[in-house]
Amino acid sequence: QVQLQESGPGQVKPSETLSLTCTVSGGSISTSSFYWAWIRQPPGKGLEWIGSIFYTGSSYYSPSLKSRVTISVDESKNQFSLKLNSVTAADTAVYYCARESRIVGDFGVYNGACDIWGQGTTVTVSS
Amino acid sequence: QSALTQPASVSGSPGQSITISCTGTSSDVGSYKFVSWYQQHPGKAPKLIIYDVSNRPSGLSDRFSGSKSGNMASLTISGLQAEDEADYYCSSYTTRTSVVFGGGTKLTVL
Repeated sequence: QVQLQESGPGQVKPSETLSLTCTVSGGSISTSSFYWAWIRQPPGKGLEWIGSIFYTGSSYYSPSLKSRVTISVDESKNQFSLKLNSVTAADTAVYYCARESRIVGDFGVYNGACDIWGQGTTVTVSS
Repeated sequence: QSALTQPASVSGSPGQSITISCTGTSSDVGSYKFVSWYQQHPGKAPKLIIYDVSNRPSGLSDRFSGSKSGNMASLTISGLQAEDEADYYCSSYTTRTSVVFGGGTKLTVL
């Protein structure tokens, strides 16, 4: 079965770039049925969708983070990655990667549910 | 980007039924069937329990059900059990931002 695993530094200094990678195992990232998403959860708070990417490289971002976020995909490694620049303490959170359904409808293509999640990785922004 | 609106907390006794609401707008819940619900226990990753408004993933208990009316979606848990105590989040496709989550609801089983 498909599994996702996040990896990356647990601490980042303010104003620097947060970089995380999600490795997909048990299945191919190159599928037309899914997007690959990043979601975060600040301590004691709710879930926030950061963005997602299709294996072809088409990406979608939350407007509130769009100016600082880049999501990329590496088909050869079956991985996708998150970069968030100019981080502040407000970016401290548990970061999850997830598999997100891609739904082709009569009038467009839609983001559906996240059915598989990684275990999450805690990133602290601190000097 | 405005999150979907959920009650901060709900509670119920074992065996009872509870309903959690998720209120959005005509740009998200009101216009699309792509509403999902997630259960999250402390320190764990969220788990999908409802997708496309009312569908359950394979193997999930039928005590969980979802519905939608207008701009509001609902999650109902029947026959409440101690293990249902968790945080619950709704999410929806939205024309403006692709995906938006609700603020989350803490379910307490009394």
